Order: sequence, then structure tokens, then C-alpha cells
Amino acid sequence: EVRVLESGGGLVQPGGSLRLSCAASGFSFNNYLMAWVRQAPGKGLEWVSAITGGGSSTYYENFVKGRFTISRDNSKNTLYLQMNSLSAEDTALYFCARGRQQLGAWYYFDWWGQGTLVTVAS
Amino acid sequence: EIVMTQSPATLSVSLGERATLSCRASQSVSDNLAWYQQKPGQAPRLLIYGASARATGIPARFSGSGSGTEFTLTISSLQSEDFAVYYCQQYDNWPPWTFGQGTKVEIK
Repeated sequence: EVRVLESGGGLVQPGGSLRLSCAASGFSFNNYLMAWVRQAPGKGLEWVSAITGGGSSTYYENFVKGRFTISRDNSKNTLYLQMNSLSAEDTALYFCARGRQQLGAWYYFDWWGQGTLVTVAS
Repeated sequence: EIVMTQSPATLSVSLGERATLSCRASQSVSDNLAWYQQKPGQAPRLLIYGASARATGIPARFSGSGSGTEFTLTISSLQSEDFAVYYCQQYDNWPPWTFGQGTKVEIK
């Protein structure tokens, strides 16, 4: 059974840092693109970052470029998101999602974790 | 960046009735369009990919249609467990992957 489980969220002060983790199981982790998607309280879904299966290519939404770093350890089946220079606008539930490839270079998200809550406040 | 626009924002439907949700892309996304269902306190669940293919385990009452810029999610006969927020997402031109703002399906 496919499972992805996020951890590492919490309360952090503005300007602070946090590292999120996503432990995956039930599939060949290194064969899949993985992504982070966030949801601010009462708002919709917003893609944040993604990384290819081997880790050679990373992608970021403009509002996190230079502040967040996505990485993965395929030996541990774990995805990470290092978040620096956090602001109140980053407060959200952060989901880890598996990217499923559809004929070529198109990826949709077929499995999602339950999310980990990041709250940025003083 | 491709902007996805969903309508209506809220849809009030009675049990057993048909629900039709719309999603429009700011430019063509071919058929690279997914639909997700999200219930309160839960993770999003993939319903439809490729604009019309149902994901594993999704009941046949859910169907997707459209291509290019206009898409529709239809729930043929609403069940109590279908009341939720539904999001469309394009994955044709990434990054970024972009979502619509969501349609809330509520009990009439």
C-alpha cells in the first residue's frame, strides 16, 4: 500500500527556519517525482516545489525561490523541504504528494499525505 | 503561468441529484487536467486524470470531460459522502502546476 507521511511542522517565529520530512513506503520511491503542495487556512491548494526521482532536477514556485530547498534521500525513501526566512504568509498545511507520469513529461499527483502544519508567528 | 478558474464557487445540490462543476484554463492544457476531492481535515484525493480517466477506486458516478481550455466534472447522483471541495489542476505546462480555487459542493 502506498503511504506518504509528513512530519516536522510546528510553530516558528518570523525569519526562522524549519525542515519538513516526508517518509514514503509501498512503492519504488526513486522512480517517482515528488512534490510539496501547501494550503493556507481556509484557502485552496498551492504547489510549492518538486523534485525528480533521481534528485537531479528541482522546481520551485516563485514565492519560495531562494528561501526553500527541496531534496530527497532515496536510500531512506524520504523527501525533505528546508524552509528558511519564513514569514506569516508561509503559514499553511504542507502536503507531500507523489507525481504520476502520464505519457511523456506530464505529471499529476496521485497520492497525498495528511499534511504537516507550519505556523509562522511571534 | 496558466491560470485555472473554477465555477461556481459553491454548488448547492440535493442527494441523488446531478452536479456539474466547471473549470477553465487561461490557455490550452490539452487533456492534461486532473480533478481532486478534498473533505474537511483530509488530504486531497485524485478523482480524474487525463481530463476523463477515473483514478483507481473512484466510483463510476464521477466523470470528467473536456479538452483545451474547458473542462467539466460531473457527479451523476450525489451521495452523502460526495459533499466536499473539488479542485481542478493543470499539469500540461509546468512548473508551476496550478490549481483552480475550488468548488464547494454542499447539501441543498
